[in-house]
Amino acid sequence: EVQLLESGGGLEQTGGSLRLSCAASGFTFSSYAMSWVRQAPGKGLEWVSAINTGDNTYYADSVKGRFTISRDNSKNTLYLQMNSLRAEDTAIYYCAKRLAYSTGNGFDYWGQGTQVTVSS
Amino acid sequence: EIVLTQSPGTLSLSPGERATLYCRASQSVSSSSLAWYQQKPGQAPRLLIYGASSRATGIPDRFSGSGSGTDFTLAISRLEPEDFAVYYCQQYGGSSWTFGQGTKVEIK
Repeated sequence: EVQLLESGGGLEQTGGSLRLSCAASGFTFSSYAMSWVRQAPGKGLEWVSAINTGDNTYYADSVKGRFTISRDNSKNTLYLQMNSLRAEDTAIYYCAKRLAYSTGNGFDYWGQGTQVTVSS
Repeated sequence: EIVLTQSPGTLSLSPGERATLYCRASQSVSSSSLAWYQQKPGQAPRLLIYGASSRATGIPDRFSGSGSGTDFTLAISRLEPEDFAVYYCQQYGGSSWTFGQGTKVEIK
């Protein structure tokens, strides 16, 4: 059974940092691209960042230069280092597994999410 | 950046009725890049459709996707009580992903 378990969220001040983790199990983690998606309170889904199997990284303009995605295949874990936090980063952060490249676009498994709150 | 616009914002229907949700892209997208998700309150999104028309694993056949170019559709043939939720379309292109703003399907 595929499981994704996020951790590391919490309350942080404006300008501070947080590191999110996503522990994966039930599939060959190293073989799949992974993403972070967030959802601000009462709002829709916003893609944040992605990392492919070759460790190439991609970012939404809203977080570029502030957030860094990484993965440790030996630990089956995905990370999101979040620096220079802003109030507008307040959201639930989900990690998501991408479908196999040969199948197509889509995130077929999601974690339960971790809450990040940024306050002054 | 490709913008996805979903309509209507809210759809009020009764169980057993057919629901049709629309997703329009600001420029043409590959059908292989278009996906649909369902999200219920307090839950993570669930993948329903990928490649514009392929159902994800375990998704009932009352859900169907269609479309190409800039216009895509998600249809739910007969609404079950568990189908009342928010639905999002998503596309991938240029090494980034975008979501539509969502359509809420509510009980009439």
